[in-house]
Amino acid sequence: RKEVEQDPGPFNVPEGATVAFNCTYSNSASQSFFWYRQDCRKEPKLLMSVYSSGNEDGRFTAQLNRASQYISLLIRDSKLSDSATYLCVANQAGTALIFGKGTTLSVSS
Amino acid sequence: GAGVSQSPSNKVTEKGKDVELRCDPISGHTALYWYRQSLGQGLEFLIYFQGNSAPDKSGLPSDRFSAERTGGSVSTLTIQRTQQEDSAVYLCASSLQESGEAFFGQGTRLTVV
Repeated sequence: RKEVEQDPGPFNVPEGATVAFNCTYSNSASQSFFWYRQDCRKEPKLLMSVYSSGNEDGRFTAQLNRASQYISLLIRDSKLSDSATYLCVANQAGTALIFGKGTTLSVSS
Repeated sequence: GAGVSQSPSNKVTEKGKDVELRCDPISGHTALYWYRQSLGQGLEFLIYFQGNSAPDKSGLPSDRFSAERTGGSVSTLTIQRTQQEDSAVYLCASSLQESGEAFFGQGTRLTVV
């Protein structure tokens, strides 16, 4: 099952950089979209939901393009603490959450 | 507890033995998921329970794997006749019905020797 595709990276950026990740999904019936963050050897945790009109949470901006079936995550002013793997989810209600394999971000000083 | 609880946190077993992994979801969450993650890999979906509906077992890799959820709460994932390739972290998550926001336990690290 390859319902969600992500560029695995790694993305290596300096502190203060802006970085963007894309995630494509194949199920056009998907209704809910999320970005999760997973630190090394830890469990995934919800970073933010993705709304149709796009949404922002501090330095993080998520956008949805239904026509092209992709979601994006933009991180501005990257911090060392942003280093992690970012997982996207595109979900059809009532079905299992299928995660992308994740994009690894490494922020260096 | 407030979060998803999994036990044991670590399990070392001999090849060919059966193992049971337990997940206590957040109270009131009707959806429960099991995933497997090998080192450096993504989350592999195993099985999904939603309320009283028949579980989605489409991710189970073989008939050695089974799971049940009793009383709509606690879930047990059983692996029979374990193989070395079963070694991974097994993650459980729960969510409110159809909300999609899943909360994960800390996982069970299974090592088959």
